[in-house]
Amino acid sequence: ILNVEQSPQSLHVQEGDSTNFTCSFPSSNFYALHWYRWETAKSPEALFVMTLNGDEKKKGRISATLNTKEGYSYLYIKGSQPEDSATYLCAPRDGGSQGNLIFGKGTKLSVKP
Amino acid sequence: NAGVTQTPKFQVLKTGQSMTLQCAQDMNHEYMSWYRQDPGMGLRLIHYSVGAGITDQGEVPNGYNVSRSTTEDFPLRLLSAAPSQTSVYFCASSYKSWGNTEAFFGQGTRLTVV
Repeated sequence: ILNVEQSPQSLHVQEGDSTNFTCSFPSSNFYALHWYRWETAKSPEALFVMTLNGDEKKKGRISATLNTKEGYSYLYIKGSQPEDSATYLCAPRDGGSQGNLIFGKGTKLSVKP
Repeated sequence: NAGVTQTPKFQVLKTGQSMTLQCAQDMNHEYMSWYRQDPGMGLRLIHYSVGAGITDQGEVPNGYNVSRSTTEDFPLRLLSAAPSQTSVYFCASSYKSWGNTEAFFGQGTRLTVV
C-alpha cells in the first residue's frame, strides 16, 4: 500500500487569498495522480488526472503541478472563494497491476467571506 | 445520466445483522470499487472489480463480501455487522484503468452499527 501524505491537514484563509497544498507519494513505479474535491455531505468529484512529469493542469482558478521524479504534486487555488471550501484529496495509482487509487487523508480548506 | 447510484443513503443495523449495500452505474464502466471513510482516515479500499465476474480484496476486506455478476452492479455485503463497521461507504467506478481516467463516486451510504 502506497504511503500518501497531504499537507497541511487543514487550512483557514480569507476570501481572496491564494493558497496551495502538497501531496507526497512514492516516486518509484509512478503511473498517475488524481486530485478530487470533496464538499461536505457530497461525494468526491475529480479535478485533475495527471500522468506526466512536469504536467500542469488548470480548471478555472484551480491548478496543479506534478513532479514524478521527487514524488509530489501541488494544488493551487488563486483568489479563494467561500465556495472553494471543501476537502481536497490526492490519490496516486497503486503501482500494482490492478492499479487501484490510494487516497491521502486530504486537506480541508475553509474560506471565510 | 444517473452516474453511480448507491442505496440506501442511511442505515442502522444491530450487531450481528447482515445487509447489502447496493451500487449501480450506467456508464458501462469496467472498474468498480468500494471504499469506507472514517474520521481522521483517508478513503480506504475494501474490495474492487476490474470487470464482470472478477473481484479482489483491497486494504480492509475483512467482514465484507462482493460479487460482480453484471457490468452495472457491484453490491457490498456485510455478513455479520460489527460496531467497527460503522462508517460512510462510497462506491466508485471508472471507465478503464484507474490510472488515466477519473473515478466517479456515488453519494455514499452512512451506516451505523449499534
